[in-house]
Amino acid sequence: IVMTQSPATLSVSPGERATLSCRASEIVSSNLAWYQQKPGQAPRLLFYDASTRATGIPARFSASGSGTEFTLTISSLQSEDFAVYYCQQYNNWLYTFGQGTKLEIK
Amino acid sequence: QVQLQQWGAGLLKPSETLSLTCAVFGEPFSGFYWGWIRQSPGKGLEWIGEINHNGNTNRNPSLKSRVTLSVDTSKKWFSLKLSSVTAADTAVYYCARDTTPSSYGSGSYIVWGQGTLVTVSS
Repeated sequence: IVMTQSPATLSVSPGERATLSCRASEIVSSNLAWYQQKPGQAPRLLFYDASTRATGIPARFSASGSGTEFTLTISSLQSEDFAVYYCQQYNNWLYTFGQGTKLEIK
Repeated sequence: QVQLQQWGAGLLKPSETLSLTCAVFGEPFSGFYWGWIRQSPGKGLEWIGEINHNGNTNRNPSLKSRVTLSVDTSKKWFSLKLSSVTAADTAVYYCARDTTPSSYGSGSYIVWGQGTLVTVSS
């Protein structure tokens, strides 16, 4: 299953809303996770099962979707949110990741 | 709080075998799947496979013939071996724990190791 994220780069000002998209080439039901990765660090799980927030993730992060279309929204960007975000499907026994969306400061 | 610490050789020659080990600090060890994911500039994040405390494995079909996963429950270690490496296997390798306990692997990963850069070069 190919995961396609858009846009590749998103430029947003602090305090504004960011909306990131992830599309699966096949139906993955709700078997989707979102990760945040900062330079030199391992990915950090934000959401699993499409919309279940992982422990410690701030409420300004939300996620939705099912089937093939998924969205990650950050309601009011903080400086620490500028990073690369990845989606990952685990609907079959070949887990695959999207290529990432880089969220940069405008 | 579970933490993972990984280690292994960082420089290999083509055809050698990559060997990495990840130690689990904290409880529980049983009930979860323990996975390996790699990241390279060219291929992004790529799932390699996972193993549970019983030795049950799920592996990426594209790597399956070269991947060996093992677990030592007495030490709370799990290991990855990747044989016949080439330059295409150059990447940062991460160990990780899946998110919720299950008998088949829950799919997402909530605890990650620090990563090990493995370079394959003659």
